[in-house]
Amino acid sequence: DIQMTQSPSAMSASVGDRVTITCRASQGISNYLAWFQQKPGKVPKRLIYAASSLQSGVPSRFSGSGSGTEFTLTIGSLQPEDFATYYCLQSNSYPFTFGGGTKVEIK
Amino acid sequence: VQLVESGGGLVQPGGSLRLSCAASGFTFSSYWMSWVRQAPGKGLEWVANIKQDGSAKYYVDSVKGRFTISRDNTKNSMYLQMDSLGAEDTAVYYCAREGALSFWGQGTLVTVSS
Repeated sequence: DIQMTQSPSAMSASVGDRVTITCRASQGISNYLAWFQQKPGKVPKRLIYAASSLQSGVPSRFSGSGSGTEFTLTIGSLQPEDFATYYCLQSNSYPFTFGGGTKVEIK
Repeated sequence: VQLVESGGGLVQPGGSLRLSCAASGFTFSSYWMSWVRQAPGKGLEWVANIKQDGSAKYYVDSVKGRFTISRDNTKNSMYLQMDSLGAEDTAVYYCAREGALSFWGQGTLVTVSS
């Protein structure tokens, strides 16, 4: 199975900060990588697919990059509504696997 | 796009449960469909998915041989038959569209406990 390692597992940041979350795959997954946001008690929401494609309706401050084994989710300027947990998902090979999550908290 | 799960509840260890996912707002028969679960206070875990015509199905190792995914395109519905349930299966179960999970339902809670 492909292991997805997210870092950091948690972070504190301020409104307006630029935030970067990394996801590393244990083997190459091309660009079969998606990013999700989950707020407490809510359903996960896809932000990015195919490593860098922005989901329709998602603010442009969110961006994704990477290919192969290393991927990054960047929030250009953190907003109050962005405090949440973020997950990556690889869909290159079965079983699909999620990263462990990154909780972004208010500093 | 709307996905509505149902069928969750409390079940004893070793018991069975069948989850349903009713889809609307899109051409159901054109999409892979998936199940994802989240244990209380834990991260997301991909469980299974099924091809548009049901000819291909994939599972995470921990549910192979116990869970069966299926779909009925005439009813715009997907199912997850869960047998030999254990405490480790306690989770909110979500259905989602496509392998890359573009849209999610609200989830249904499955609790395995005596």
